[in-house]
Amino acid sequence: KQEVTQIPAALSVPEGENLVLNCSFTDSAIYNLQWFRQDPGKGLTSLLLIQSSQREQTSGRLNASLDKSSGRSTLYIAASQPGDSATYLCAVRPGKEYGNKLVFGAGTILRVKS
Amino acid sequence: ETGVTQTPRHLVMGMTNKKSLKCEQHLGHNAMYWYKQSAKKPLELMFVYSLEERVENNSVPSRFSPECPNSSHLFLHLHTLQPEDSALYLCASSQDSLDEQYFGPGTRLTVT
Repeated sequence: KQEVTQIPAALSVPEGENLVLNCSFTDSAIYNLQWFRQDPGKGLTSLLLIQSSQREQTSGRLNASLDKSSGRSTLYIAASQPGDSATYLCAVRPGKEYGNKLVFGAGTILRVKS
Repeated sequence: ETGVTQTPRHLVMGMTNKKSLKCEQHLGHNAMYWYKQSAKKPLELMFVYSLEERVENNSVPSRFSPECPNSSHLFLHLHTLQPEDSALYLCASSQDSLDEQYFGPGTRLTVT
């Protein structure tokens, strides 16, 4: 059974810092991995999608890496801003044979202080 | 209106009520999903529809009944809910069942 763990559970940093959020998964046979952002009481916004054949994806100040063999992904946020404060969720799709199921981690709550 | 929309955004209902949640996607996608997000728990997939056919039912109690009349609309019919069903219910869609999923803003449900 695929399980996804995110560390740390919460993080508070001053504005301008570079930071790393971690995601680990127990079964390396994944189809893809997706990072989302969720603002309080709101839906999810997709940030980056990494296919199993890729090592990283970049969008603006965000960079996500994937090491499938070790079951890890990191989300790097450069020059953090107060507007980055949100919950960041990692989700894996455990392989085509598992169809439609995204398996989510519990999230990392990020607070960027001005 | 673009993206994935959900109505109502907030709902308070008694345990004996019947209500429905609505989701609409304006992206031309073929797959739609219902998720439940309870406090301090990971998102849980409830149902998946692909081309209007239910392809996944993740051991959800029968007091939750989904309906997908066409590829743009998805409903979740609720009846005789329990207080532990209080949660944020999120709808999502994707081009097909393995593609990137786009989420709606959610319906915050409180069962009293």
